[in-house]
Formats: sequence, structure tokens, C-alpha cells
Amino acid sequence: DAKTTQPNSMESNEEEPVHLPCNHSTISGTDYIHWYRQLPSQGPEYVIHGLTSNVNNRMASLAIAEDRKSSTLILHRATLRDAAVYYCKSSSSARQLTFGSGTQLTVLP
Amino acid sequence: DSGVTQTPKHLITATGQRVTLRCSPRSGDLSVYWYQQSLDQGLQFLIQYYNGEERAKGNILERFSAQQFPDLHSELNLSSLELGDSALYFCASSVGWTVEGEQFFGPGTRLTVL
Repeated sequence: DAKTTQPNSMESNEEEPVHLPCNHSTISGTDYIHWYRQLPSQGPEYVIHGLTSNVNNRMASLAIAEDRKSSTLILHRATLRDAAVYYCKSSSSARQLTFGSGTQLTVLP
Repeated sequence: DSGVTQTPKHLITATGQRVTLRCSPRSGDLSVYWYQQSLDQGLQFLIQYYNGEERAKGNILERFSAQQFPDLHSELNLSSLELGDSALYFCASSVGWTVEGEQFFGPGTRLTVL
């Protein structure tokens, strides 16, 4: 099972971009990189996923390093509603979809 | 609202007892996943069902079992409960059986074992 490491916490000012890093140095060639977030008192919510190329969707962008050993989730303009725990996970099968402790993002008004 | 429903929202029971948690996936989703989230262990994958069949197994204890019914709802049965089983249990669903796609999580069931 590929191991991921993320900072425990990060802070951002409202309406500024946020770059959330994740290291997945043991990632294998078929592992996808997934990002989910969990708002207080809610179930996790899908944010984005990718394999090799950078990905964009309405919520965020995912920048994947060329060697795939790290990735960065980019929130282009943080809002107070983006305050959550952000989980990064690399996996190639459902049984590997166990998340680490994630990054607690605090957004300051 | 993810479209995934879980009942009950809260459950308080005693050690040694057995409980059943229920999950209804989003309309059209064939896969159901169960996760356990406790303070010291993070979000742990337990088991996945796809269209009624067990597809993948994670860190699920032998005291726990699950099934997915023909109408695609799923139940997670927890027996001989211990204090350490107190946690949030989440169900998620997805269209397919691979991890490539998006999983939609329910609001969770908070289990307290006294």
C-alpha cells in the first residue's frame, strides 16, 4: 500500500490561492492520486483525482510531479467554506483506499 | 447532499451487543464501500460490494460482516461489540467497481459502545 504524507495543518487567507502538498514517494505506476476533503461533522467529499497529467475541475486543480512522487492540490480562491481536512491518497484498488490523517486547512477571513 | 443515505444517525449500545448499520447508495451506483473513522486510526476502508458481490476487503474484523441486497442497499453488521469499535462508520457509493472514479459518501453513523 502506497504511503502518503501531508502537513498536519495549513492556514490561508480568504480569496487567496492555497497549495496543499502531498508526498507519495512509494507510488506505483498504476496508482491513482485521489484527494478528498471532510468538512466538520460531514462525510468525506470527493475533490479531484488523477494519474499522470495535471487535472482541473470546478472545485480545484491537481498538479502532479513528473516523477509522480508528489502532488499539489490547488484551491484557486479559498473561501471560508473550504475549511476542512484534506486527504490525499494514492491507490490502485479499493482495498488501498485508506486515508491518512490529512491536512487541516484553516481559512482566515 | 451526496444522495447516499445512512441509518441510524447515532447508535448507543453496550459491549457484547450486535448492531446493524444500513446504507442506501445513490441512484444508479452499483458499488458500496464501508469505512470506519476513529480518532486514532483515521479513515479506514473496510469492505466493498459491487452489484451484490464482495469486491474488495480491507481492514475488516471477523466480528464484522456486510452484504449488499438485490435493491443495492447494504448493511454492515457489527457483533460482539467492544469499546474500541466506537467510531463513525461511513458508507460510500460509486458507479463502477474501480477506484478510478468518484466516491460519494453518506453522512455517517456514529456508534458509541459503552
